Amino acid sequence: KAGVTQTPRYLIKTRGQQVTLSCSPISGHRSVSWYQQTPGQGLQFLFEYFSETQRNKGNFPGRFSGRQFSNSRSEMNVSTLELGDSALYLCASSPGQSFNEQFFGPGTRLTVL
Amino acid sequence: QQQVKQSPQSLIVQKGGISIINCAYENTAFDYFPWYQQFPGKGPALLIAIRPDVSEKKEGRFTISFNKSAKQFSLHIMDSQPGDSATYFCAGSNFNKFYFGSGTKLNVKP
Repeated sequence: KAGVTQTPRYLIKTRGQQVTLSCSPISGHRSVSWYQQTPGQGLQFLFEYFSETQRNKGNFPGRFSGRQFSNSRSEMNVSTLELGDSALYLCASSPGQSFNEQFFGPGTRLTVL
Repeated sequence: QQQVKQSPQSLIVQKGGISIINCAYENTAFDYFPWYQQFPGKGPALLIAIRPDVSEKKEGRFTISFNKSAKQFSLHIMDSQPGDSATYFCAGSNFNKFYFGSGTKLNVKP
């Protein structure tokens, strides 16, 4: 079974721009979660989508948004980028029902200049 | 409020020794406690996980000990190897919402 894939792997943007990151979950998985990982704050939960609906949300500003498509692929968008948004953005997929096992992708390294 | 506290921040162990990483949680609604291993440049990989109705789970050299009354759980790596050198994260989860510890950087000396 193929693992979680994320594109692009690396991205450089400037302040004020917006960015869209993509995640393809493991086949058959219906839940996709997004995390921001930074050296200072560790792994922080952004949001989770299940069957095209946002089911859980972390404490991030509205500049961070996401969506999920009918094939379970998910995108995350960050608008009006700030320097502090530089981080590794990780996507994790899980079956989404009673089991909570999450499997992470390799991440997208976003650098904001 | 940090829902999962992890210690130590870093750990140095000799090859063949036992590595022990500890976590404490606040939320009694957590029903799943995984441990992840992360190598530089990679996403976290699920290592081992436990549910609160079990006090211990062992998979190969990795063991989770779980103390529900103390709201603590720990990861033991037996016969630690240089290839185990990585950052380890514990987490607590409820309804597919995960809270991660701050991570422990393990260095196993040859």
